[in-house]
Amino acid sequence: NAGVTQTPKFQVLKTGQSMTLQCAQDMNHEYMSWYRQDPGMGLRLIHYSVGAGITDQGEVPNGYNVSRSTTEDFPLRLLSAAPSQTSVYFCASSPMGQPQHFGDGTRLSIL
Amino acid sequence: AQSVTQPDIHITVSEGASLELRCNYSYGATPYLFWYVQSPGQGLQLLLKYFSGDTLVQGIKGFEAEFKRSQSSFNLRKPSVHWSDAAEYFCALNSGYALNFGKGTSLLVTP
Repeated sequence: NAGVTQTPKFQVLKTGQSMTLQCAQDMNHEYMSWYRQDPGMGLRLIHYSVGAGITDQGEVPNGYNVSRSTTEDFPLRLLSAAPSQTSVYFCASSPMGQPQHFGDGTRLSIL
Repeated sequence: AQSVTQPDIHITVSEGASLELRCNYSYGATPYLFWYVQSPGQGLQLLLKYFSGDTLVQGIKGFEAEFKRSQSSFNLRKPSVHWSDAAEYFCALNSGYALNFGKGTSLLVTP
């Protein structure tokens, strides 16, 4: 019973590098989201998807890209990492209108 | 505009004492509201949810919350706090496709 799986759990990047945070869910949920968590800021929505092939921006989308080619996967891409993107990233999924299930997070540090 | 406010950044209670964490929301329609808990270094766990109907909802770990439309509030309560309840608590509002989070309340439990 995997739920929402995020990889990697930890990552250190240098400024300007690119990388992809992976998110996979095995519950056949339509909705998937990416959030970032920063101290004192709660969780802020980066991008979300309401189904395969459909994505949209959240509150803080700049510097991030997403795609949703399958129901199961929703990767988050950092095109050119910046120190301001140091954060903990959470992926979540849910059926429409239901509570979201969260992954365990990816701790990303950008030097 | 949709928003969630958690007025208390930190709360300290003695073990065995009662607890109330405040949450206020702003939303034009009937809200779907949630409380999540996050232990240090962990992901988010759903404590309880309100969709409609009974305004007093029961959750896991002995928590309950009361929805008050007239006050735009959804406060979380527990009659007797245990040391293991020390964590970060987030109130969240379903915006239709993802969650809008408050900034969280950090709970410290003293002996």
